[in-house]
Amino acid sequence: ILNVEQSPQSLHVQEGDSTNFTCSFPSSNFYALHWYRWETAKSPEALFVMTLNGDEKKKGRISATLNTKEGYSYLYIKGSQPEDSATYLCAFNLLKTQGGSEKLVFGKGTKLTVNP
Amino acid sequence: GAGVSQSPRYKVAKRGQDVALRCDPISGHVSLFWYQQALGQGPEFLTYFQNEAQLDKSGLPSDRFFAERPEGSVSTLKIQRTQQEDSAVYLCASTEGTPHEQFFGPGTRLTVL
Repeated sequence: ILNVEQSPQSLHVQEGDSTNFTCSFPSSNFYALHWYRWETAKSPEALFVMTLNGDEKKKGRISATLNTKEGYSYLYIKGSQPEDSATYLCAFNLLKTQGGSEKLVFGKGTKLTVNP
Repeated sequence: GAGVSQSPRYKVAKRGQDVALRCDPISGHVSLFWYQQALGQGPEFLTYFQNEAQLDKSGLPSDRFFAERPEGSVSTLKIQRTQQEDSAVYLCASTEGTPHEQFFGPGTRLTVL
């Protein structure tokens, strides 16, 4: 059974705080790791897709790192703003040749609330 | 350009009713996925189409669930004889292909009473 774990489950921070979340996933047969941001009543929005060990990606105040050998990824938000409040999901693709398909396997998400 | 759209956005059904959920993917996207998100869980894969071919339906929870994409664009997820445990958000996503990002619709929230 493939398992993606995210921690913490929820997080409350003050405006201006920096924060980070963790995603752990099976390290064998890895193909790609995705981070999504999902606001209530909206579509999940892709933040990053990472495929290479050691990948680091950045989008404004948000960045992510990837370690495929040990099976984890971190998402960082610098100087959190109230508009960052959302659920952050990570998901991964398995290698198709190892019985995987193009489907994503998701974690349960980290719900972030940024208080003004 | 237009993103992925889903309809209806909200659906309330009585137990035993049949429902049909529609997904309009991004034009030209070959791959289409359906996911189910139950309360407190992450989205879980239901089924996958490449054009009109349903290549993976391993995630469909029972034979009451049926999906189609007859012309390789719009897809419909049908749930027959709905049960309370079918209450969830049903998400549709389309993509040009892995490992590119999957573009998600806003989901249909189904509540079965």
